[in-house]
Amino acid sequence: AQKVTQAQTEISVVEKEDVTLDCVYETRDTTYYLFWYKQPPSGELVFLIRRNSFDEQNEISGRYSWNFQKSTSSFNFTITASQVVDSAVYFCALNDANDYKLSFGAGTTVTVRA
Amino acid sequence: DTAVSQTPKYLVTQMGNDKSIKCEQNLGHDTMYWYKQDSKKFLKIMFSYNNKELIINETVPNRFSPKSPDKAHLNLHINSLELGDSAVYFCASSQDLSYGYTFGSGTRLTVV
Repeated sequence: AQKVTQAQTEISVVEKEDVTLDCVYETRDTTYYLFWYKQPPSGELVFLIRRNSFDEQNEISGRYSWNFQKSTSSFNFTITASQVVDSAVYFCALNDANDYKLSFGAGTTVTVRA
Repeated sequence: DTAVSQTPKYLVTQMGNDKSIKCEQNLGHDTMYWYKQDSKKFLKIMFSYNNKELIINETVPNRFSPKSPDKAHLNLHINSLELGDSAVYFCASSQDLSYGYTFGSGTRLTVV
């Protein structure tokens, strides 16, 4: 069984502050895939990043960065110098390699105030 | 070009009615899904079809019946709608699980 936990329900910051979203996952599989999705107020689900379980290289893409650590089963996401447009619900998700089922965390609502 | 399109975007209906939500993808993906997002934003899979075959059927009431006429379409029919069915329903598709899922824009169903 797979499980994703996002302990932070809501985060509120002032523009230009950094925001780090925590994600902890559980799975019995050795091969799995991790994702972050963004859901802005308009409601669509926007794909941000994916990581394979065998690829622990962390990455920076513009103002976004990700920290994947298998030793602690964590896949955290950071927004640097946040902007009002970053206000959204952010979901961490996990898919085992042999399972056609993407399991989502409960989501973290990020509010960036001007 | 819309990759995964759902219709309608909004659906308001009375309890007891039967309604359908349509989904089409033009990505050539083999697998399609229906997810339900409840009022607390929690997303949960309902069904998954691979090449028109049902492969995942979570504990969904049998009032919900998916239909896949071909691998580009996955429709969701709901009988005898109840207040608790009010939610946002997302269609999605995938080809390779490692690349993730492409979601439609969602259908907000309100049962009154």
